Amino acid sequence: AQSVTQPDIHITVSEGASLELRCNYSYGATPYLFWYVQSPGQGLQLLLKYFSGDTLVQGIKGFEAEFKRSQSSFNLRKPSVHWSDAAEYFCAVGAHFSNFNKFYFGSGTKLNVKP
Amino acid sequence: DTEVTQTPKHLVMGMTNKKSLKCEQHMGHRAMYWYKQKAKKPPELMFVYSYEKLSINESVPSRFSPECPNSSLLNLHLHALQPEDSALYLCASSQEGTGNYEQYFGPGTRLTVT
Repeated sequence: AQSVTQPDIHITVSEGASLELRCNYSYGATPYLFWYVQSPGQGLQLLLKYFSGDTLVQGIKGFEAEFKRSQSSFNLRKPSVHWSDAAEYFCAVGAHFSNFNKFYFGSGTKLNVKP
Repeated sequence: DTEVTQTPKHLVMGMTNKKSLKCEQHMGHRAMYWYKQKAKKPPELMFVYSYEKLSINESVPSRFSPECPNSSLLNLHLHALQPEDSALYLCASSQEGTGNYEQYFGPGTRLTVT
């Protein structure tokens, strides 16, 4: 069965510090993996996605993620966090159907940024 | 245009009311989705439409009735809701095909049932 685990419910980092958010997935085939960010009361914005090729993918706002098949992980990183990065982050795996992907979301990680 | 729009932004309704949520996209996407999101939780899939046909209904109570009148528009009709239905309702769309297609999300409708 498909599932996504985000082990960290809350993370607090200082502004300017590096960040890593963890994501582990369970999926029987080649996964399509996504990271989304959500500010309070807003919709979800795509940060980056992985489906094949280079296992290190670059996204918007200076984020990157690395796909590690052996560890079933797709961790999100940023070298220097800005106060505006404070938000909820969701990892998702897309299960393939005939004309769409059904997303399985992790439970989310709330990021707080200390000044 | 990579935008999904949702109206209204906020909705307060009584348990006997009938209301509708509206979602629109003009990206030519043929898959559209309704999600329900409670506070501090991930989005939960409710319905998926593919080529204007209902493809997935995640055992949603019949007081929620989706409708896809054309490829750009998705409605969610609400009737006799319960207070526990209060949530953020998100609409999304994606390209058709079994590809690496991300879902584009709207800003949501904040629903309060009194």
